[in-house]
Amino acid sequence: ELKVEQNPLFLSMQEGKNYTIYCNYSTTSDRLYWYRQDPGKSLESLFVLLSNGAVKQEGRLMASLDTKARLSTLHITAAVHDLSATYFCAVASLNTNAGKSTFGDGTTLTVKP
Amino acid sequence: DTEVTQTPKHLVMGMTNKKSLKCEQHMGHRAMYWYKQKAKKPPELMFVYSYEKLSINESVPSRFSPECPNSSLLNLHLHALQPEDSALYLCASSLGPYNEQFFGPGTRLTVL
Repeated sequence: ELKVEQNPLFLSMQEGKNYTIYCNYSTTSDRLYWYRQDPGKSLESLFVLLSNGAVKQEGRLMASLDTKARLSTLHITAAVHDLSATYFCAVASLNTNAGKSTFGDGTTLTVKP
Repeated sequence: DTEVTQTPKHLVMGMTNKKSLKCEQHMGHRAMYWYKQKAKKPPELMFVYSYEKLSINESVPSRFSPECPNSSLLNLHLHALQPEDSALYLCASSLGPYNEQFFGPGTRLTVL
């Protein structure tokens, strides 16, 4: 059974600082997704990572994938208050039921002035 | 049209009621999903339709009944729900079953 572990689960950071959220998964994966969820809202797709060494950047967020280590990171650069949200990673594998992504428990990020 | 729409936004129902949630997309996506999300938890997959056929049922109780009338529309029929079924119900769609999923705004369901 595919397990996905995110850490930390809660992150409080000051504006302007850098930090990294980690997503570990237990079995071979073909694709990894990062989503953002604001309180009371739905999920917004941030990144799709398909291959080892993939790196994608959007604004202050950069995601990377190391399939050998079964690890993805979401790096936050010079945090701003608008980045406060819950971030989920989700992992899918072609070996599992088509369409099933397993989600991590989420990292709730609070950026303080 | 590049979004997934869901109706209603909010729904309050009694345990004896029958209601339906509706989800629609016009992006040509061939996979559609229902998720249930409790507060401060990740989404839990309920059902997946792939090319209008039910491909995954995550052992969901029969009081939840999905329906995919066509490739653009997904319904979730609700009957005899329990208070613990109160949650945010999210619909998503993707080009195919292994592609990036796009989520609708959700229906916040309260069962009294």
